[in-house]
Amino acid sequence: GNSVTQMEGPVTLSEEAFLTINCTYTATGYPSLFWYVQYPGEGLQLLLKATKADDKGSNKGFEATYRKETTSFHLEKGSVQVSDSAVYFCALSPYGGATNKLIFGTGTLLAVQP
Amino acid sequence: GAVVSQHPSWVICKSGTSVKIECRSLDFQATTMFWYRQFPKQSLMLMATSNEGSKATYEQGVEKDKFLINHASLTLSTLTVTSAHPEDSSFYICSAQQGGGANVLTFGAGSRLTVL
Repeated sequence: GNSVTQMEGPVTLSEEAFLTINCTYTATGYPSLFWYVQYPGEGLQLLLKATKADDKGSNKGFEATYRKETTSFHLEKGSVQVSDSAVYFCALSPYGGATNKLIFGTGTLLAVQP
Repeated sequence: GAVVSQHPSWVICKSGTSVKIECRSLDFQATTMFWYRQFPKQSLMLMATSNEGSKATYEQGVEKDKFLINHASLTLSTLTVTSAHPEDSSFYICSAQQGGGANVLTFGAGSRLTVL
């Protein structure tokens, strides 16, 4: 079946450190992959997405590359800020782009310290 | 941008009582809304899909008589947890999909339910 596995948190970093949050997936067919972010007290927001192999999604300094050979979609940022503290969810859509049937990972809490 | 409001953000109730959670799209019409549940250290799990004016479609393993979903208007969906028990304590999140072919989901901030 379809599933998403992401690293357990919390991840605690100092400001300006490099961030990697690992995400791997299992899917049949050709899923689309997403990263969502949830800031305290707010709803999940789409951070970035990739719809086919080798695509790179990017937004707000975050990047993730759709790696079909390793079934991964790791989230990276070169220099984190305190304002990046949030919960990050990796997700896939098994319907090739439709966002309605999203399958989520467990979420990873990122805490950035000044 | 599009906003989805969820109310209440947290609720504590006694075992055996029913609790209603509202999900409203504030500045757009949502033809479809989704309800998710998240237990501690587990994934968000899709519970059901609700379409305005029709019965909700429940995911396998979700009891439709326990989790009543009503989507009576294009801006409001409600989830009622009937005869709640401690094992229903969870974080419930809704999302709304804009109509008109837009393939965008907007999420509410979630509702924390604790059943004593």
